[in-house]
Amino acid sequence: SQKIEQNSEALNIQEGKTATLTCNYTNYSPAYLQWYRQDPGRGPVFLLLIRENEKEKRKERLKVTFDTTLKQSLFHITASQPADSATYLCALVDAGNNRKLIWGLGTSLAVNP
Amino acid sequence: DGGITQSPKYLFRKEGQNVTLSCEQNLNHDAMYWYRQDPGQGLRLIYYSQIVNDFQKGDIAEGYSVSREKKESFPLTVTSAQKNPTAFYLCASSPWAGGGDTQYFGPGTRLTVL
Repeated sequence: SQKIEQNSEALNIQEGKTATLTCNYTNYSPAYLQWYRQDPGRGPVFLLLIRENEKEKRKERLKVTFDTTLKQSLFHITASQPADSATYLCALVDAGNNRKLIWGLGTSLAVNP
Repeated sequence: DGGITQSPKYLFRKEGQNVTLSCEQNLNHDAMYWYRQDPGQGLRLIYYSQIVNDFQKGDIAEGYSVSREKKESFPLTVTSAQKNPTAFYLCASSPWAGGGDTQYFGPGTRLTVL
């Protein structure tokens, strides 16, 4: 069966450390993968997109990697701050299904001061 | 929230009543989407539209209806046929109708059916 999975448990880290969030998928052919941030009671906000032929993408303190062999994307926030506390969603674009966007359930991140 | 507005932010309705949620965008995007978000279930696609006067069912369309008479507007009606309508509803748009594009979300409407 097709699945997209993110860490189900909340991630708690200390301010200044690097947060690493995982997105794994099975039985999809992703054209690319997107990461969004969602704050409580608000809509998701797009952060980064990485294509299947790209290994790594960076934007300020954010870095995304994409390993199509492992079927995994990692999302890193370096020098984390309490303001980074939110839920982070990954979404893959399924090339085999009319480029439909498939959403993970999200991982909650708490950065403690 | 990137040029997409949803109203109202909170909505209360009695069981058995139809209710319409508003979604407007001024981004000149071709595609628009409606999602439902429940705790522990992630985003589930209700309906989407790639062009004016056309729309397709998503994964959980039963009990919902939409229209796309204008490019900027994509209202969602939650009908009395929807078994469990209490949820957080999110509208999104994307520039390209070809699918898979970055989506821009509105602030959401939290619907509670009493």
